[in-house]
Amino acid sequence: SAVISQKPSRDICQRGTSLTIQCQVDSQVTMMFWYRQQPGQSLTLIATANQGSEATYESGFVIDKFPISRPNLTFSTLTVSNMSPEDSSIYLCSVSQGESTDTQYFGPGTRLTVL
Amino acid sequence: AQSVTQLDSHVSVSEGTPVLLRCNYSSSYSPSLFWYVQHPNKGLQLLLKYTSAATLVKGINGFEAEFKKSETSFHLTKPSAHMSDAAEYFCVESGGTSYGKLTFGQGTILTVHP
Repeated sequence: SAVISQKPSRDICQRGTSLTIQCQVDSQVTMMFWYRQQPGQSLTLIATANQGSEATYESGFVIDKFPISRPNLTFSTLTVSNMSPEDSSIYLCSVSQGESTDTQYFGPGTRLTVL
Repeated sequence: AQSVTQLDSHVSVSEGTPVLLRCNYSSSYSPSLFWYVQHPNKGLQLLLKYTSAATLVKGINGFEAEFKKSETSFHLTKPSAHMSDAAEYFCVESGGTSYGKLTFGQGTILTVHP
């Protein structure tokens, strides 16, 4: 399976600022996704990062709050904009390869704390 | 809408005893089902995957899961728990759509006592 890295691994940010999280894969992948895991909760899909076009957002998530880029087949970024304490979560990227798009492999996550 | 129910939020076992983590899915068709494990401060690791080839699926670290369509269940088992198995486990269903949206259960925290 692909090796996935995320930067930063953790950060503490002030209310009203923005943070961009990077996801880098060591090989070309078919699909890239972004998830949020709020404290003590399960994972929720934010959006599917589409290469060369706008991301596909799930219900409850909007582009203005969570802009996503995917310039190529191995890299994506998620920005958490105008942060509030409610955005404190772990943000994870995942990827799928080949024709088996339902099998996803996850990065180590970015732990975000907003003060 | 799809839903995945993990019947126990916490399971506690003694080292060397069997592990049973229960999961029910909601799909009326044959879904793709997964178990992932998350160790403290680590990312998610895929334990095993069911895709209708066989109802009993073997995964890594001695875990296995059995798909029972009549019960809409996909319980995770291991014959003998090890201290390193202590972690949070997620049962996950794929919607089978072209982009493979995953629906996660709420997670089960497994504690292993010496």
